Amino acid sequence: KAGVTQTPRYLIKTRGQQVTLSCSPISGHRSVSWYQQTPGQGLQFLFEYFSETQRNKGNFPGRFSGRQFSNSRSEMNVSTLELGDSALYLCASSLDGRLNTEAFFGQGTRLTVV
Amino acid sequence: DAKTTQPPSMDCAEGRAANLPCNHSTISGNEYVYWYRQIHSQGPQYIIHGLKNNETNEMASLIITEDRKSSTLILPHATLRDTAVYYCIVRAFSQKLVFGQGTRLTINP
Repeated sequence: KAGVTQTPRYLIKTRGQQVTLSCSPISGHRSVSWYQQTPGQGLQFLFEYFSETQRNKGNFPGRFSGRQFSNSRSEMNVSTLELGDSALYLCASSLDGRLNTEAFFGQGTRLTVV
Repeated sequence: DAKTTQPPSMDCAEGRAANLPCNHSTISGNEYVYWYRQIHSQGPQYIIHGLKNNETNEMASLIITEDRKSSTLILPHATLRDTAVYYCIVRAFSQKLVFGQGTRLTINP
């Protein structure tokens, strides 16, 4: 079956702009989580959505937001982009995010802010 | 913060078993041990997870000590393609995956 699909794979934006990233989970998976990966901070959790509701949230400013649609596809949005937002953004899907369920990651979207 | 401690780097010869240790001395009774790996610039790949019994799948084996305070991931016959950063994570119900710095495993020919 198809894996987690993230689009676009690469993106270049200018400071102050906003960006929307998309994630299509594995068919049947209802939980989608987002992570930011930078060389300095490593992999950091942004938020998790389950059945269109945000269930967990990391320590990121309000400029970072997300949503999940009824088909479990998810988007994350970053407004007023800063240079420090340059990172690899990863999406992970799991059946329902509960214990004993593994999460599968997409290949990520590499965002560069100039 | 990550609840696990891993060595920052390890080397292993191709064809030999790679044994990656992980300490999780504060693990709770309802937390599972998960292992992921990340090959350069790709998304993390799930390897294996377990609660208290040893687990084995087509990729690796997971050995968890009886007191559950540490575990070892074993790649039985390492290949060059196993070169990656390996993350050990403890996770309970509906908790997020918290990644530490992981172990950078280099498989040498």
